[in-house]
Amino acid sequence: EPEVTQTPSHQVTQMGQEVILRCVPISNHLYFYWYRQILGQKVEFLVSFYNNEISEKSEIFDDQFSVERPDGSNFTLKIRSTKLEDSAMYFCASSEDSGGQRRAGYTFGSGTRLTVV
Amino acid sequence: DQQVKQNSPSLSVQEGRISILNCDYTNSMFDYFLWYKKYPAEGPTFLISISSIKDKNEDGRFTVFLNKSAKHLSLHIVPSQPGDSAVYFCAASALLVFYFGTGTSLTVIP
Repeated sequence: EPEVTQTPSHQVTQMGQEVILRCVPISNHLYFYWYRQILGQKVEFLVSFYNNEISEKSEIFDDQFSVERPDGSNFTLKIRSTKLEDSAMYFCASSEDSGGQRRAGYTFGSGTRLTVV
Repeated sequence: DQQVKQNSPSLSVQEGRISILNCDYTNSMFDYFLWYKKYPAEGPTFLISISSIKDKNEDGRFTVFLNKSAKHLSLHIVPSQPGDSAVYFCAASALLVFYFGTGTSLTVIP
């Protein structure tokens, strides 16, 4: 069964450093998302991406964050100048189309655990 | 802002009995609702969905009920099995983005 792949599974970084979280969505999917889950809290929407541009973003997704689809297969989340409170599980998700997604949801990756020290 | 709320952080049920997980939402524009299941160290996996034009959707042991007037949905698992032990998230959307609740950790006791 097709999977959304995220790398690395765990990333430890010094506060103030930049990190790039990588995702390979399912190949025929068109919509891409980043969510995060701070330990013990809800899964929070960060950003959606379609047709090579951001289609929607939350208030969490400020200038510290950016997304890119550099080569048609990878979908990356860059966090500049990381803060302690950026420590969370970051989930990438993708879906084939808007209609199917609303019936059957996204396919999520297994997540990248980001620890900022 | 918590548009989707799951007020019970945990639930324990005996194997074979019914598990009922509840979810409330505030945004009347939401028109699709999903339940996801999540095991530790894994991403959420889709379980079942319902659109706002229905009040019930059933898939095997899983049934989702939607009460639009109360802005409430619930997931029923019958009979509950130990393998159902996981965190269950409800999610709702008006357009493309799904907004998640905080999750309910279900433990099915053998």
